[in-house]
Amino acid sequence: NAGVMQNPRHLVRRRGQEARLRCSPMKGHSHVYWYRQLPEEGLKFMVYLQKENIIDESGMPKERFSAEFPKEGPSILRIQQVVRGDSAAYFCASSRGTPDTDTQYFGPGTRLTVL
Amino acid sequence: GNSVTQMEGPVTLSEEAFLTINCTYTATGYPSLFWYVQYPGEGLQLLLKATKADDKGSNKGFEATYRKETTSFHLEKGSVQVSDSAVYFCALIPFNDYKLSFGAGTTVTVRA
Repeated sequence: NAGVMQNPRHLVRRRGQEARLRCSPMKGHSHVYWYRQLPEEGLKFMVYLQKENIIDESGMPKERFSAEFPKEGPSILRIQQVVRGDSAAYFCASSRGTPDTDTQYFGPGTRLTVL
Repeated sequence: GNSVTQMEGPVTLSEEAFLTINCTYTATGYPSLFWYVQYPGEGLQLLLKATKADDKGSNKGFEATYRKETTSFHLEKGSVQVSDSAVYFCALIPFNDYKLSFGAGTTVTVRA
C-alpha cells in the first residue's frame, strides 16, 4: 500500500515564477492537508481539503497561494509570483476519515527554493 | 490558543544511552497528542500517539505518557541506536479539530 506521494521532491524557482506542488493521498484517503515548514521551525497548518472542496484555508496566506483537490487526480498547492520568503518544505498529509479520529499520514515533502 | 513547546536541541548521545525529550502543551479541552519523527531527507512518520489522559503511547522502544496534570507528553527511550538519529516533533490536535500544531522539533544525533 503506497504511502502519500508528493512531487517534485525538490523545486527551484526564480522570484516571480509559479510553483505547483502535487500530492497524491494514500489509497482510500479522501482528506488532504497541507503544512509548511520554514527553516528551524515546526510545521504550520495551511489548508484542509476533501474531494472538490476546501474545508479550511485559514492557514493560507491571503494572496498568491491556492489549493485544490479535484475529483480526479492529485491535490495541487499553487504559489503564484513566488518570493524568497516562500522557500520552505511543504508537506502534504492524508487521512481516511476526519482527523479527530483518524491519523494523518505525511508525504516526503517538496522542498521549494526561490532564487 | 493551542501550542506545543519542546526541548531545544540539538541533543547528542552515545549508543545505548537514555533519551528523553520534554514536551509540554497548551490547549483547550482534551487534545490528542503525537510524536512524529523525521529521518534525514524524509517526511514525517508517526512514532506514537495518545488520545486521553494517562494513555501511554509506545513504538520501536519509544514511550510517552499523556499527563494532563502537568500538560506534558515527554518522549523516552531506554537505549538509543545510531539509527534513531532524526528530528523529533511533538504535536497535538485539539478535541473535535483537525489542525495539527507542532513543536519546533528536536534534533537527536546518536554516535556509535
